Amino acid sequence: GQNIDQPTEMTATEGAIVQINCTYQTSGFNGLFWYQQHAGEAPTFLSYNVLDGLEEKGRFSSFLSRSKGYSYLLLKELQMKDSASYLCAAPLGATNKLIFGTGTLLAVQP
Amino acid sequence: DGGITQSPKYLFRKEGQNVTLSCEQNLNHDAMYWYRQDPGQGLRLIYYSQIVNDFQKGDIAEGYSVSREKKESFPLTVTSAQKNPTAFYLCASSPWGAGELFFGEGSRLTVL
Repeated sequence: GQNIDQPTEMTATEGAIVQINCTYQTSGFNGLFWYQQHAGEAPTFLSYNVLDGLEEKGRFSSFLSRSKGYSYLLLKELQMKDSASYLCAAPLGATNKLIFGTGTLLAVQP
Repeated sequence: DGGITQSPKYLFRKEGQNVTLSCEQNLNHDAMYWYRQDPGQGLRLIYYSQIVNDFQKGDIAEGYSVSREKKESFPLTVTSAQKNPTAFYLCASSPWGAGELFFGEGSRLTVL
């Protein structure tokens, strides 16, 4: 089977750093995705990790540990516009069928 | 510009009526998907199609139907058999094997 878990909500302060965790159990690992979704809008792609380690992309970084079934999204220098849901997702087996976690709603406060 | 177009953006339906949501892409992607999202929840897969004239059920296909007669188009019909159809529906596409999904802007369906 396949299961993806992430916290439901998080709160952070503008200018700070926040880490959003995701744990997964998949039958056949083919990478892990992070998407950002603002309220009422479609998700947008943030990152894709298939190898262990940290991938940095501007203020956003994503980390993967395949042996632990664990990933995190790191957001630095938080801005108010970063208030959104962050969705962790993984393909099911060898297919291109992407399964999503329930998402983490991040609230950035002044 | 290349992208995915969903229509209508907002739709109201009476109970017992079928409704069809349109999804068109000009990205030349092979795979297309329909997801449903309920308030405060993640995306749940309804149907997906990896090639023309072929599609597979996702996790919550009951009460829905799709067709894939053209590569560019993947319409979703919400039938009267769907017990709780009020939701935000998202269509997406991806190049074969690439994994990254490109989403349309979504269609918000409300059953009155």
